[in-house]
Amino acid sequence: GAGVSQSPSNKVTEKGKDVELRCDPISGHTALYWYRQSLGQGLEFLIYFQGNSAPDKSGLPSDRFSAERTGGSVSTLTIQRTQQEDSAVYLCASSKTAGVFQETQYFGPGTRLLVL
Amino acid sequence: AQSVTQLDSHVSVSEGTPVLLRCNYSSSYSPSLFWYVQHPNKGLQLLLKYTSAATLVKGINGFEAEFKKSETSFHLTKPSAHMSDAAEYFCVVGNYGGSQGNLIFGKGTKLSVKP
Repeated sequence: GAGVSQSPSNKVTEKGKDVELRCDPISGHTALYWYRQSLGQGLEFLIYFQGNSAPDKSGLPSDRFSAERTGGSVSTLTIQRTQQEDSAVYLCASSKTAGVFQETQYFGPGTRLLVL
Repeated sequence: AQSVTQLDSHVSVSEGTPVLLRCNYSSSYSPSLFWYVQHPNKGLQLLLKYTSAATLVKGINGFEAEFKKSETSFHLTKPSAHMSDAAEYFCVVGNYGGSQGNLIFGKGTKLSVKP
């Protein structure tokens, strides 16, 4: 079946602009996660959604970052007033239910963001 | 708090020789541990996971890992490397202290396979 998809695959923007990154999880998966992969910081957790519960935003690096998940499916990660340090690969993952200890997270190919 | 340390940033082996990628973990609880692989320009793929069942975990593509509580290790091995194994490998621990979904990644080990 179809895996996790993300769009765009690449995004180049100018410093100060807003960007939106999209994630389509695997159909039927109730949990969705965003991570960021950068040279300096490695792979970092950003935010997590589970069903209709309030998201866990504990990994968001600043208030310029926000995410929403509409209808329990598609998610959008928004970065406002982008900075050069936001340049990274943004990865989305989904799993059947919550609970990393039992459920496998399936990752999308990522969106490579470059802020000039 | 949970953490993982991958002891080598880069490992190089010849095709047909064994692979050993080392990982140590720190956890206040019985950990859930994973190995993921990332091929160039591809997404992360789960190789295997340990969730307190058998200590020797078999994964895809001939990889396996052994959970050793006394050594706080979860090293990844393969008896014979293939060229297609060249990729970056991440040791990962589930974060009990954080959100239910939070994975904590090691810095990664880049595996090169020479012909």
